[in-house]
Amino acid sequence: AQTVTQSQPEMSVQEAETVTLSCTYDTSESDYYLFWYKQPPSRQMILVIRQEAYKQQNATENRFSVNFQKAAKSFSLKISDSQLGDAAMYFCAYRSVNLNNYGQNFVFGPGTRLSVLP
Amino acid sequence: DTEVTQTPKHLVMGMTNKKSLKCEQHMGHRAMYWYKQKAKKPPELMFVYSYEKLSINESVPSRFSPECPNSSLLNLHLHALQPEDSALYLCASSQEGRLAGGPGTDTQYFGPGTRLTVL
Repeated sequence: AQTVTQSQPEMSVQEAETVTLSCTYDTSESDYYLFWYKQPPSRQMILVIRQEAYKQQNATENRFSVNFQKAAKSFSLKISDSQLGDAAMYFCAYRSVNLNNYGQNFVFGPGTRLSVLP
Repeated sequence: DTEVTQTPKHLVMGMTNKKSLKCEQHMGHRAMYWYKQKAKKPPELMFVYSYEKLSINESVPSRFSPECPNSSLLNLHLHALQPEDSALYLCASSQEGRLAGGPGTDTQYFGPGTRLTVL
């Protein structure tokens, strides 16, 4: 079964600075998808960024970018020009391409709580 | 429109009550999911409906019963719950496709959740 690890339970960043959140995963599959989701205190889970494993190019979405290292099974999230609204719990998630085993094909990491200091 | 709606927002129930949580999406997604999330923990997958076929996480107690009346609606029926079932219940949906993968079809979109308290 796939596992996702986030080794930083909490992090903080100064407003306008850059922060990187770490994520590693374990899988025997060669093709899969990786996600970063954000969950503010208001509790709605919001997609931040998505990466397809067969693409070498790192995904970017405005101030958010990833460093995807497939061989190392690492998927870190970089937030540039941090804003107060970025404060939230960030979850790294793994999704299998296999559609036939839904019970195990979407796995979340334990989360990193990010605080943004004014 | 990437909206998934859930009702009610909050629910308080006794251990002998029967209640239902509702989820709806109008994005044409063919897979819908129920998750349970305890405070400061990641969501745990409970049930998945994909093309009206149910997949079950075998660790979920039978006091939780999912129902998918059509591809846009998902219910979670609750009966004889325990205080430890108090949690945030999240619904999600994804487009999916007959072929594995496909750009964006795998992404799950979440509703705002129902905060359930069992007394």
